[in-house]
Amino acid sequence: AQKVTQAQTEISVVEKEDVTLDCVYETRDTTYYLFWYKQPPSGELVFLIRRNSFDEQNEISGRYSWNFQKSTSSFNFTITASQVVDSAVYFCALRPTRSGGYNKLIFGAGTRLAVHP
Amino acid sequence: DGGITQSPKYLFRKEGQNVTLSCEQNLNHDAMYWYRQDPGQGLRLIYYSQIVNDFQKGDIAEGYSVSREKKESFPLTVTSAQKNPTAFYLCATRPTGDSYEQYFGPGTRLTVT
Repeated sequence: AQKVTQAQTEISVVEKEDVTLDCVYETRDTTYYLFWYKQPPSGELVFLIRRNSFDEQNEISGRYSWNFQKSTSSFNFTITASQVVDSAVYFCALRPTRSGGYNKLIFGAGTRLAVHP
Repeated sequence: DGGITQSPKYLFRKEGQNVTLSCEQNLNHDAMYWYRQDPGQGLRLIYYSQIVNDFQKGDIAEGYSVSREKKESFPLTVTSAQKNPTAFYLCATRPTGDSYEQYFGPGTRLTVT
């Protein structure tokens, strides 16, 4: 089965706190891709990062960092020193290689992050 | 400006009426997708199209129809056969090649009463 689980439905933090959003995936494929998207209140999904299954290096982009661990099938997302503008719903997604040519993305249910001043 | 346009942002219809949601892109991307989002849930794939004049059903195609007569346009019709049409609908595109990420439009919120 191909599945993405984001167990945290909602997270509430105070500005400047660090916060980690969890993502656990299931796939039997040896080659796959993982993504994070941000959905601000406006509704449009914004692409944040893509990671392929052969690259387990952690990545940092400004206040954002991602921890990919194949051993635990996790691809967690950390925001350092959170800001009010980080308030959004964050989705983790999986693209298995058995999805065929149409590039199917399997989304988790999303985590709603609220950052309070 | 390059991007994906979905119009209108909000759409209201009476039960039993068909309604067509617009999706236009000027990114020159080959593949286009329609997703449905319900509160507290992730996105579910309705239809996708890899090239003009070709499209395939996704996971929840029942009650929906699409066309792809032009590369730039991928309209979605929500028919009266769709039992629960009220939802947020997102259109996405993907460029040709190894770039697997999809790019999303602003979405259309459809309310059927």
